[in-house]
Amino acid sequence: AQKVTQAQTEISVVEKEDVTLDCVYETRDTTYYLFWYKQPPSGELVFLIRRNSFDEQNEISGRYSWNFQKSTSSFNFTITASQVVDSAVYFCALTPIQNNDMRFGAGTRLTVKP
Amino acid sequence: DVKVTQSSRYLVKRTGEKVFLECVQDMDHENMFWYRQDPGLGLRLIYFSYDVKMKEKGDIPEGYSVSREKKERFSLILESASTNQTSMYLCASSLFTGGMNTEAFFGQGTRLTVV
Repeated sequence: AQKVTQAQTEISVVEKEDVTLDCVYETRDTTYYLFWYKQPPSGELVFLIRRNSFDEQNEISGRYSWNFQKSTSSFNFTITASQVVDSAVYFCALTPIQNNDMRFGAGTRLTVKP
Repeated sequence: DVKVTQSSRYLVKRTGEKVFLECVQDMDHENMFWYRQDPGLGLRLIYFSYDVKMKEKGDIPEGYSVSREKKERFSLILESASTNQTSMYLCASSLFTGGMNTEAFFGQGTRLTVV
């Protein structure tokens, strides 16, 4: 079975600060996907990124960047120059590529203050 | 756009009632999931289904059952609701293509209160 750990329960930053959300995972599968989702106050989870286990290249999308390190089983998410609209709960998730067993971490609640 | 629709946003039910939560997706996805979200516990998988009439237990199936008679619809059933099943329930679907799963798309959630 898979396990995803997000050790940070809550983070509070001031607007324009950079913030990193940690995600550590456990799996016996050799091929898998990792995901980040955002859950704004409205409640619906929004997909942010998918990364497969054989691609350790870091990815940047605007103010968002992701650092995947297989050696430490981590998939961390950094928001640069945070904004109030980034306030949400962020979830990391893992699924084996060839079955359907998607598991989520407990989530990190990010509050960005003006 | 993928659309996953849950039949109710809010539900209040009495202890012992049989409760049906319905979920419909419009993108012909093979996989469908039911999660429960509680503060501090994140999303916990109740059941998932990878095809019509097929189902697999997740981490917390006790007290729940599911039904998938059509590809687009996945129902979660609480046989006899209890107060500890008060929670936010999230339905999701994902595509299985080329032997691999894609990201999951979520509904808006159903907040169930059992009194």
